[in-house]
Amino acid sequence: AQKITQTQPGMFVQEKEAVTLDCTYDTSDPSYGLFWYKQPSSGEMIFLIYQGSYDQQNATEGRYSLNFQKARKSANLVISASQLGDSAMYFCAMSLTTGFQKLVFGTGTRLLVSP
Amino acid sequence: DGGITQSPKYLFRKEGQNVTLSCEQNLNHDAMYWYRQDPGQGLRLIYYSQIVNDFQKGDIAEGYSVSREKKESFPLTVTSAQKNPTAFYLCASTGGLTGNTIYFGEGSWLTVV
Repeated sequence: AQKITQTQPGMFVQEKEAVTLDCTYDTSDPSYGLFWYKQPSSGEMIFLIYQGSYDQQNATEGRYSLNFQKARKSANLVISASQLGDSAMYFCAMSLTTGFQKLVFGTGTRLLVSP
Repeated sequence: DGGITQSPKYLFRKEGQNVTLSCEQNLNHDAMYWYRQDPGQGLRLIYYSQIVNDFQKGDIAEGYSVSREKKESFPLTVTSAQKNPTAFYLCASTGGLTGNTIYFGEGSWLTVV
């Protein structure tokens, strides 16, 4: 069975600083994808970044990068130059890339960016 | 603009009543999903559909039912058999079995009164 673990219930960061949100995963399947989603207080889930298990390089999307360490089964999200609008819940998720795309989610990390 | 539309945003239900949450997408996606989110928790899969007229149970399907008569639509009915239905419900879709991005609607808040 697949499992996602996010051990940080809450994180604080000052505006313009970088922050790392931790995510570890567990699966015996060699082919999988890892996702990060942002959920503001409005509730919608906003896709941030994706990393495939066979991707050689770490994924980057603007201020977001995914620190993928396959041997450690970790997929940490790095947000550079934090902004006040980054305050939200962040979820790490995993899916198998064989068969249908069932996403398994972690419990999330609440990020608060202070001025 | 393409996207997923969920309605209503907020819904109150009396105990013993069935309610239906709407989910419509214009992304031409094959697969659609319903997730439930409880406070402080991640999302759990209720039902999913890979193609029209076909759907499968997810991890917490008891007390819920779905239909997929059209590619664009995947309504979720919360029945009176669901013992604790108060939650946030999210609909999602993806562009087929190998799509690497799952898009979500804005969600529906259901409260039992």
